[in-house]
Amino acid sequence: GENVEQHPSTLSVQEGDSAVIKCTYSDSASNYFPWYKQELGKGPQLIIDIRSNVGEKKDQRIAVTLNKTAKHFSLHITETQPEDSAVYFCAAIPGGSYIPTFGRGTSLIVHP
Amino acid sequence: DSGVTQTPKHLITATGQRVTLRCSPRSGDLSVYWYQQSLDQGLQFLIQYYNGEERAKGNILERFSAQQFPDLHSELNLSSLELGDSALYFCASSLAGQGETEAFFGQGTRLTVV
Repeated sequence: GENVEQHPSTLSVQEGDSAVIKCTYSDSASNYFPWYKQELGKGPQLIIDIRSNVGEKKDQRIAVTLNKTAKHFSLHITETQPEDSAVYFCAAIPGGSYIPTFGRGTSLIVHP
Repeated sequence: DSGVTQTPKHLITATGQRVTLRCSPRSGDLSVYWYQQSLDQGLQFLIQYYNGEERAKGNILERFSAQQFPDLHSELNLSSLELGDSALYFCASSLAGQGETEAFFGQGTRLTVV
């Protein structure tokens, strides 16, 4: 089955810095890669996603890149703000089905 | 607010007992997914229902079962509870049955087994 590795487990940055979270996956059949943000006491919320026919996608301060050959994808947050502090999860989902495999999560702490 | 409602928010019960967690999906969503989140296992997919039918199964124990009713709400039944079942249980919903659509998560039910 699919295996998703996520690094780092904890990331501490100063406000205004950039943050990068990386994930690798094992199943070449995976073709949908969502990223979720989970704030304390809340459920995960989709913040950006990318499909296998796209190499990069941006949404304001957030971007995701995908390298299908190397089987890795990354989340980039620029100009971080304290409200970006949360746990971020990556996931990989095979085409035509719904059995997502999640990374273990990255706790992002943005210091004012 | 994601539009997905889960009840109860908190549940404390004893080992060996049985509990039912309830999920109301967003209006119009046909798919419901259940997840278990624990500190040591992360976020684990349990099961998916689409328009009343089981669509996909993940790491769901035999002691656990779920169903989706005609009004599309779903229930997750956990029986013969063990201490290790203590976790956050999330429900998510999406419009379509395939995985390549946005899933909206509820706020979760925190289950504590004592």
